[in-house]
Amino acid sequence: SQQGEEDPQALSIQEGENATMNCSYKTSINNLQWYRQNSGRGLVHLILIRSNEREKHSGRLRVTLDTSKKSSSLLITASRAADTASYFCATDAIQGAQKLVFGQGTRLTINP
Amino acid sequence: DGGITQSPKYLFRKEGQNVTLSCEQNLNHDAMYWYRQDPGQGLRLIYYSQIVNDFQKGDIAEGYSVSREKKESFPLTVTSAQKNPTAFYLCASSISGGSYIEQFFGPGTRLTVL
Repeated sequence: SQQGEEDPQALSIQEGENATMNCSYKTSINNLQWYRQNSGRGLVHLILIRSNEREKHSGRLRVTLDTSKKSSSLLITASRAADTASYFCATDAIQGAQKLVFGQGTRLTINP
Repeated sequence: DGGITQSPKYLFRKEGQNVTLSCEQNLNHDAMYWYRQDPGQGLRLIYYSQIVNDFQKGDIAEGYSVSREKKESFPLTVTSAQKNPTAFYLCASSISGGSYIEQFFGPGTRLTVL
């Protein structure tokens, strides 16, 4: 079952602009993670935010978490062509056994 | 270099054949996972193992089988019972125990049924 739903499904912006992707989920969570996938490759972990955290930064990435709305957002600032990829949120349910449930992803295209 | 390797990168299978996808890790992780990804979709969990000689079904285990005889290895067999096996298969691993654990992914195997 897929718990996370990303919005939008696809996003195309100009290089240098900021990109925002959203993720909604259904059940209570321990943490929420964001991963990146370049075309035809494996996933790479970007950032993890715990359920008791509201915001986290890592370089050009900013993640927010609103557990009351069961939603998260990933902001990439000053986008670069190399940021072109699909981005997935994944949740670790409180009752789960280290099982991550992935959303369907947002396909981000950065135009030079 | 530490990491996860998957082989082969591309695999072609005739209908009715079983095929085995390899996944090896040298990260000393206890937990390993297999996911299936269809075009434009997210990942769905097939099987996972938290310790050697033990594994559990994920959300879409029908038509698949696994073994975990060694800590480093978690091969996935796609059997003829899997109705629509053409997909991209990803293996991952993580440390075991506790929360707030990230998963490390291999490069994937693209399986095509002819």
